[in-house]
Amino acid sequence: GQQVQQSPASLVLQEGENAELQCNFSTSLNSMQWFYQRPEGSLVSLFYNPSGTKQSGRLTSTTVIKERRSSLHISSSQITDSGTYLCAMETGGYKVVFGSGTRLLVSP
Amino acid sequence: GALVYQYPRRTICKSGTSMRMECQAVGFQATSVAWYRQSPQKTFELIALSTVNSAIKYEQNFTQEKFPISHPNLSFSSMTVLNAYLEDRGLYLCGARDFRGSDYTFGSGTRLLVI
Repeated sequence: GQQVQQSPASLVLQEGENAELQCNFSTSLNSMQWFYQRPEGSLVSLFYNPSGTKQSGRLTSTTVIKERRSSLHISSSQITDSGTYLCAMETGGYKVVFGSGTRLLVSP
Repeated sequence: GALVYQYPRRTICKSGTSMRMECQAVGFQATSVAWYRQSPQKTFELIALSTVNSAIKYEQNFTQEKFPISHPNLSFSSMTVLNAYLEDRGLYLCGARDFRGSDYTFGSGTRLLVI
């Protein structure tokens, strides 16, 4: 079965609203990364967050290992935040498995 | 800092032909290299994980016969898509990390179009 469940699949916000993206894992995880995928496909690493909470500007990532979940919070969303966000978990077998992605659209 | 250069960025190949893509790690030792494919409208699927001095492990639905991988040293890896067909089109991504096993650094991807 699918090891990483990412939600929502898509999200539409008005500029200034906050966004909460979630990833849930069906197996134990060793680490977590969150990425932004540029339109041409390349990945921008947002967070490497094995556990706890990390913040970078308007972005906050929280990983709770025992609950097998990680979230990405975007505060005061901007139009330029639009795009696809991916979580990726590392399993016990040292494999990194990607979530299905959240397509975010921020409108003016 | 750690960087991974992946090339080519885009490539077109005729159906039934093969194409090779390469990744170069700079600023760290690529002890482990993972290759992924993102088919249209899908997320990234792991093709195989290569660790220096270990056998390359292919995921279900991917084989060495179709996607041979080379990982000859701690800075370079290549993967070939043999006998490419329409279903092989997509974005191929390599990611690498060092022996400390922290986060992966990813290349910018190779977009394959098959005609």
